[in-house]
Amino acid sequence: DIQMTQSPSSLSASVGDRVTITCRASQSISSHLNWYQQKPGKAPKFLIYAASSLQSGVPSRFSGSGSGTDFTLTITSLQPEDFAAYYCQQSYSPPYTFGQGTKLEIK
Amino acid sequence: EVQLVESGGGLVQPGGSLRLSCTASGFTFSNFWMSWVRQAPGKGLEWVANIKQDGSDKYYVDSVKGRFTISRDNAKNSLYLQMDSLRVEDTAVYNCASGGASFGNWGQGTLVTVSS
Repeated sequence: DIQMTQSPSSLSASVGDRVTITCRASQSISSHLNWYQQKPGKAPKFLIYAASSLQSGVPSRFSGSGSGTDFTLTITSLQPEDFAAYYCQQSYSPPYTFGQGTKLEIK
Repeated sequence: EVQLVESGGGLVQPGGSLRLSCTASGFTFSNFWMSWVRQAPGKGLEWVANIKQDGSDKYYVDSVKGRFTISRDNAKNSLYLQMDSLRVEDTAVYNCASGGASFGNWGQGTLVTVSS
């Protein structure tokens, strides 16, 4: 199975900040990497697919990059609604594993 | 508007069974792979199983193989998860999601609690 490791596990930031979350795969997954946002008590929301493609309707302050084993999610100019948990997920081969999540909190 | 609505969760004893259902609307269900993804209380996300558009291919995470069965009825726009031999560690919110490997739309989930 492909292991996905996110860092940091939690992060405190302020409105207007730029933040970066890192995701590392245990083997190369090319660009088969997705990002999801989850707010408390809600279902996850699909943000980014194929490492860097923004899902329709997702604000442009979200961006993704990387290939192979190392990936990043960047949020520029944090908005109040961005404080949530973020998960990376590999879509390269089953089982389709997720990272353990990064909780983004308001400083 | 895409909607996925799960049902069938509840409290069950270890070794028991449950059948989850997911009803889809707002998109052509029969055109999509579908998946179940679960989240244990306070934990992260875990893909459980997926099924091809016509039901001919199915994949499972190792921890549920031989115990869970995914199926679908395209005439009813419905996805199912038959869960047998349930264990305490299967306790989670179970979400259905569109897609087989990337999960574009999600239901709100149904809680399955396995406890004596």
